[in-house]
Amino acid sequence: DQQVKQNSPSLSVQEGRISILNCDYTNSMFDYFLWYKKYPAEGPTFLISISSIKDKNEDGRFTVFLNKSAKHLSLHIVPSQPGDSAVYFCAAISRGSNYKLTFGKGTLLTVNP
Amino acid sequence: NAGVTQTPKFQVLKTGQSMTLQCAQDMNHNSMYWYRQDPGMGLRLIYYSASEGTTDKGEVPNGYNVSRLNKREFSLRLESAAPSQTSVYFCASSERASQTGYTFGSGTRLTVV
Repeated sequence: DQQVKQNSPSLSVQEGRISILNCDYTNSMFDYFLWYKKYPAEGPTFLISISSIKDKNEDGRFTVFLNKSAKHLSLHIVPSQPGDSAVYFCAAISRGSNYKLTFGKGTLLTVNP
Repeated sequence: NAGVTQTPKFQVLKTGQSMTLQCAQDMNHNSMYWYRQDPGMGLRLIYYSASEGTTDKGEVPNGYNVSRLNKREFSLRLESAAPSQTSVYFCASSERASQTGYTFGSGTRLTVV
């Protein structure tokens, strides 16, 4: 039973345009969400996070939106740059889980020059 | 800062051989984790250690054992490697309730033939 779902395995956008990566979750106990970025042959690195008490968090070109009623979050990258090309993982954590992150399967973003 | 260091970076094993993947962190984090990444499967938790002296199973623990040697080190052992254990293994560490989640190592690419 997949609790964190990233239904798009890949996404391709033009440099300068907006990239929107989506993530759905099923566990209503999740109270904190994170996005990680992963380049080939490297470990995932933290990108941005959002608490369940918020609906938006912004950090430079990256904004995460959370819609709790729909159990949906999205990562917006504006403007997209070729260096943003990577796999993006959505992750979630719930109270009392011993701080275990549950990851989605990832979305490969390709930003074309 | 070195962060999370994993050794080795690459390994080829024959079916039935054993090996230990090493992980060390220098951030004084309490919690450590072992994940595997497979194509189309995302990151799946194998084992974790919420604090020194404790270990618990994750989502896919079969065929693995772990040792939390001290606060810095968390090793993963394959007693009798199988081709299904061919994967990329990531070690991570965190401080509980960190807003940036985990810090990951750069991974160990393991092939079992």
